Amino acid sequence: DTAVSQTPKYLVTQMGNDKSIKCEQNLGHDTMYWYKQDSKKFLKIMFSYNNKELIINETVPNRFSPKSPDKAHLNLHINSLELGDSAVYFCASSQVGANTGELFFGEGSRLTVL
Amino acid sequence: AQSVTQLDSQVPVFEEAPVELRCNYSSSVSVYLFWYVQYPNQGLQLLLKYLSGSTLVKGINGFEAEFNKSQTSFHLRKPSVHISDTAEYFCAVGSFQKLVFGTGTRLLVSP
Repeated sequence: DTAVSQTPKYLVTQMGNDKSIKCEQNLGHDTMYWYKQDSKKFLKIMFSYNNKELIINETVPNRFSPKSPDKAHLNLHINSLELGDSAVYFCASSQVGANTGELFFGEGSRLTVL
Repeated sequence: AQSVTQLDSQVPVFEEAPVELRCNYSSSVSVYLFWYVQYPNQGLQLLLKYLSGSTLVKGINGFEAEFNKSQTSFHLRKPSVHISDTAEYFCAVGSFQKLVFGTGTRLLVSP
């Protein structure tokens, strides 16, 4: 069983569209994250949720809206997609307090905006 | 604020040769340090971590790293690399609920 799973793996869409990426973890962790990896492989945190509560929001445009229906799920919705949103988006989870800071990553969702 | 510098964007090496991937960090608080590996088209996977204790940390696949507080470094080493070690390697520094990653070093192992 995949510990952190994301769907879809690939997403190609036009500028201006709205799209969502879903993430689920079956590790029982209480914290989930979204990271963005750009074309130069630079990884930057976007959001972090702890027990469905937003705890980190790293100056991400309002067009990006995370939603956590429960602590095992963290979805990312993006409105009015722009060319610069093209990237690989990684979901991750961790258990704060145990193996502090260690993240478990999904395989990524490659978003291409045309 | 925390930051990580990976000095080499790419390191080419021949199979069975030793390798060192360099990482320097800055942090105003006690840190936890990590090395992650990313194989093509995959997510990141933890190689090893330093939380406290012994400064020499051993990880998976024969990798090890040494935490050097005075030099604020956490370099990754392997005595003999394989073709299958070709991947992107990320150093990260963390504190409560947040990891900051370096820009990555691409290790290219050729026969």
